[in-house]
Amino acid sequence: SYELTQPSSVSVSPGQTATITCSGDKLEDKYVCWYQQRPGQSPLLVISEDSKRPSGIPERFSGSNSGNTATLTIRETQAVDEGDYYCQARDRKKVIFGGGTKLTVL
Amino acid sequence: QVQLVESGGGVVQPGGSLRLSCAASGFNFNGHGMHWVRQAPGKGLEWVALIWYDGSYKYTADSVTGRFTISRDNSKNTVSLQMTSLRVEDTAVYYCVRDEDGSGSPTNGMDVWGQGTTVTVS
Repeated sequence: SYELTQPSSVSVSPGQTATITCSGDKLEDKYVCWYQQRPGQSPLLVISEDSKRPSGIPERFSGSNSGNTATLTIRETQAVDEGDYYCQARDRKKVIFGGGTKLTVL
Repeated sequence: QVQLVESGGGVVQPGGSLRLSCAASGFNFNGHGMHWVRQAPGKGLEWVALIWYDGSYKYTADSVTGRFTISRDNSKNTVSLQMTSLRVEDTAVYYCVRDEDGSGSPTNGMDVWGQGTTVTVS
């Protein structure tokens, strides 16, 4: 079965750029979405179709997908961006999530 | 406003059954596929099931195939998850989630999430 691999944690200083990766076999052939989950809250779609930002998501959030790796980039990271981030793709009508990355802003 | 409200969670013994429901409001329910996604305590997200906008196609994760059934009633704007032969490892918060369009296109994100309902198998 298809798998998506994310680093378990990423740390960034306030105002700096955070980069979270998601790896999978020939991932560029699939579309990747990203979700933010703050503590105690439901997930929130922050990037769809590799790089599209839904309405209301700050321009600081961007996404890309090339080769075997998709990347979520958060510029000018703020304390409010702390939480867990999950990548997601679809494979043969099934939905796959990465294991999640805990983003710490310190 | 766009809203999904889950209900039906609770405590059940291994081998038991439970039916989750999700009431949708504030959008054209008939135009969207619907998912169930779960999250075990302290763990990541796990997709459970998808049903197309008209109920014509249904897909489930390998871990629940044969035990869980997704269904919908477009006249009542509800989607359900019938869970049987429950196992301890099914313990999780279950989220009802909207697909961006009707048929689960590979480009779609899951753009509306409910608050979740907790299922404990013990």
